[in-house]
Amino acid sequence: DTAVSQTPKYLVTQMGNDKSIKCEQNLGHDTMYWYKQDSKKFLKIMFSYNNKELIINETVPNRFSPKSPDKAHLNLHINSLELGDSAVYFCASSRRGNTIYFGEGSWLTVV
Amino acid sequence: AQTVTQSQPEMSVQEAETVTLSCTYDTSENNYYLFWYKQPPSRQMILVIRQEAYKQQNATENRFSVNFQKAAKSFSLKISDSQLGDTAMYFCAFIPIIHQGGSEKLVFGKGTKLTVNP
Repeated sequence: DTAVSQTPKYLVTQMGNDKSIKCEQNLGHDTMYWYKQDSKKFLKIMFSYNNKELIINETVPNRFSPKSPDKAHLNLHINSLELGDSAVYFCASSRRGNTIYFGEGSWLTVV
Repeated sequence: AQTVTQSQPEMSVQEAETVTLSCTYDTSENNYYLFWYKQPPSRQMILVIRQEAYKQQNATENRFSVNFQKAAKSFSLKISDSQLGDTAMYFCAFIPIIHQGGSEKLVFGKGTKLTVNP
């Protein structure tokens, strides 16, 4: 049973398109996150949600819009994709700042 | 601002030998957690070991152990009896303990690429 699962794992799309990445966790955690890993493998937080409420929005372009329909799901929608959006996007979850568990990552390539 | 520094971009070790990866961090917080995550070529982020700052005893998980020096803000990872499957990027990470859920940011170092040679 996968604890944090995200789909799709791989996504290749053209500039200007809109795409979504879905994330679900079955750990009963109340906090979920999106992290971005760039081409230099540097990991940085984008958003966090606690009980469906946005807590952290880390200076991310507003083309990126997270949506949390319930505390087990946090989806990421990206409008008007740009070449610089190519990265690996990780969903993660935790219980109140305890250990953060990551999904397997979604490799986004914008061409 | 909280920062995590991994001063070794790349390291290599022979199979069955021991290797130590270094990590230092900067924070004014007193309560926090420290982690080492492993990222193999598949890019999955795998938790290796965790240390609570209020615990003086160094964490150990099988072949993995840490040397946590709170005053020096140092958190190194020792891998004993290195195996080929240990080949991966290793990230040191820090998170302060904040009691508002969701406010915690996991801050990562830039990673150390470890290669275990046969």
